[in-house]
Parts: sequence; structure tokens; C-alpha cells
Amino acid sequence: AQKITQTQPGMFVQEKEAVTLDCTYDTSDPSYGLFWYKQPSSGEMIFLIYQGSYDQQNATEGRYSLNFQKARKSANLVISASQLGDSAMYFCAMSKTGNQFYFGTGTSLTVIP
Amino acid sequence: NAGVTQTPKFQVLKTGQSMTLQCAQDMNHNSMYWYRQDPGMGLRLIYYSASEGTTDKGEVPNGYNVSRLNKREFSLRLESAAPSQTSVYFCASSSGTGSLASGNTIYFGEGSWLTVV
Repeated sequence: AQKITQTQPGMFVQEKEAVTLDCTYDTSDPSYGLFWYKQPSSGEMIFLIYQGSYDQQNATEGRYSLNFQKARKSANLVISASQLGDSAMYFCAMSKTGNQFYFGTGTSLTVIP
Repeated sequence: NAGVTQTPKFQVLKTGQSMTLQCAQDMNHNSMYWYRQDPGMGLRLIYYSASEGTTDKGEVPNGYNVSRLNKREFSLRLESAAPSQTSVYFCASSSGTGSLASGNTIYFGEGSWLTVV
């Protein structure tokens, strides 16, 4: 069963603009973690941001913020002031009981100069 | 500064050949994972090891075997490679302790590009 859904295969954003990458998840566990990873063309997976299911406030890390809407089971990534170096694949992931991690299919972001 | 190290980085195999992907982590993590990444499919879990001495199947285990050699090392073996196993393979680890809601993130190796012809 699909646990993480990313409905945007590709996104474009103008440099210096903000962009939102969508992620919805499916779980009945009360305790879980939500993550975003960046994969540039070089292939490595880079951890960006984390949100715990019990966290009351949205997580922020520099230009990255996670828009967590628990009732809607969504965990969208917002990148502010996009830079050319933000062009990459972005994966949403969820950790659950047993320390398993589930990943979405990814969104390819292209920043246009 | 090593983190998760996996070898080899690139490999070409003929159908039916066997090989082992090696992975080691130096972060004293309990849990280790093997994923494969295919275009449009994201990362799919092949096998994982929640702690030393245990291994469990993930979403796509067929055609693979794993060994958790010790706390540091977790290897992935293809006994008889098939073209469908052409993929990028990632090893990963996480501390595996504490609440899942506490930011217990997963750290990846650099990936192994495997082509089966």
C-alpha cells in the first residue's frame, strides 16, 4: 500500500521565488516522523528537514520549511528564495514503528534563471 | 567523516553472475537498510536490519539476500543477477533508538550503480 504520495513529478520555479512541493502520507500510528531529502544530479541523498508527529510547530531549517497539516496528513516542503543549486529531485519520507522508512516517488525541481 | 560507505560504486554484471554489495557505517547505528532506486519509482526497501543479528524483508526482496555481519556491516548479495536488477542501490543507517518522533533520521551512502546485461 502506498504510504507516501508525491503527486508532482516535475516542478519549475523562477530563481528567487518560493516553491511548494507536495507530500501526503498514510498511517494510523500516533508516533511517526516526516522527512525531506534532496538528491542532486550527483546522486547522493541529503537530509533537509524533519517534522515529528507530536510537534506543534512547523519545522524550519534555513530556507526550508515543512508545512505540516496533521488532520490532512500532508507534509509539504516550502523552499523560499529559490537558488539555481536547488535544482534536484526531492523525496518525502516517513518513519514508522520498527524504524522503517518509506519514501515517495520524488519531485524533480528545476530552478529557472 | 565517513558515515555510510558502500562499495563498489559502479559494477557491470552478466545475467546469472553473482555479486555482493558491501556497506559499512561508523556512526554506531543499530539499524541498517538496503534500497534500490529506479526512475519514477522512488526508493524501495529491499531488506533492513533493525539491530545486529536481525534482518527482515522490505518491499522488493526477491532475488536478494543480506547479511548483517556485525553492527557496522550490512551486505547485499545478488545470487543470480537479472536485467531487472539494473538499478542504483543505496545503503543507509539510522540510530534505531528512541522515539520515532524524535528526529531519528536515516543516513545514506553514496550509491552503487549496477548494470546487468
